[in-house]
Amino acid sequence: DQQVKQNSPSLSVQEGRISILNCDYTNSMFDYFLWYKKYPAEGPTFLISISSIKDKNEDGRFTVFLNKSAKHLSLHIVPSQPGDSAVYFCAASAHNDMRFGAGTRLTVKP
Amino acid sequence: KAGVTQTPRYLIKTRGQQVTLSCSPISGHRSVSWYQQTPGQGLQFLFEYFSETQRNKGNFPGRFSGRQFSNSRSEMNVSTLELGDSALYLCASSPGASGRSYNEQFFGPGTRLTVL
Repeated sequence: DQQVKQNSPSLSVQEGRISILNCDYTNSMFDYFLWYKKYPAEGPTFLISISSIKDKNEDGRFTVFLNKSAKHLSLHIVPSQPGDSAVYFCAASAHNDMRFGAGTRLTVKP
Repeated sequence: KAGVTQTPRYLIKTRGQQVTLSCSPISGHRSVSWYQQTPGQGLQFLFEYFSETQRNKGNFPGRFSGRQFSNSRSEMNVSTLELGDSALYLCASSPGASGRSYNEQFFGPGTRLTVL
């Protein structure tokens, strides 16, 4: 059961522009959301997170937005850099449970 | 502090064989979770071990099993391998004391298993 969905398998943007990665979830029990970044031959690394009591969290070039009523979150990267090219996974957690999306491959072109 | 290590990094097996993968967590971390990553499916949760006990389990068949040792190192075993078991197997460690341990996971580089 896909409780966390990333409907775009890939995304390509120009260097310097904004990258927007989307994620939808179905389980209203999820109350903490995370984004991970994965390079080839490496494990996922934590990028940014947001609690359900917030609707926005910002860390440098990365901002995560949460719309609880729509059960939707998004990751904005501004400005995008070639080094951001990777697979991005969103994850949602509740007590003793965490689910991941299928990932979105972001390519940032110079 | 050393990160999460997984051995071996690559493995090729044939159908019907069994395989054991190993994961050493970050020092002091007591929780180890295992995930299977396949294209289009993302990371699928296999199970979590905390203090040598399985604390949580995903929806995988009984061919997939694991254990954790007193030093928190964990092994995952897959018996009677099938072609569909070809995947990247990731383990993640966390301090693990609370049910919110998933929010503090650090992943290893994974073991790429190919079943022929």
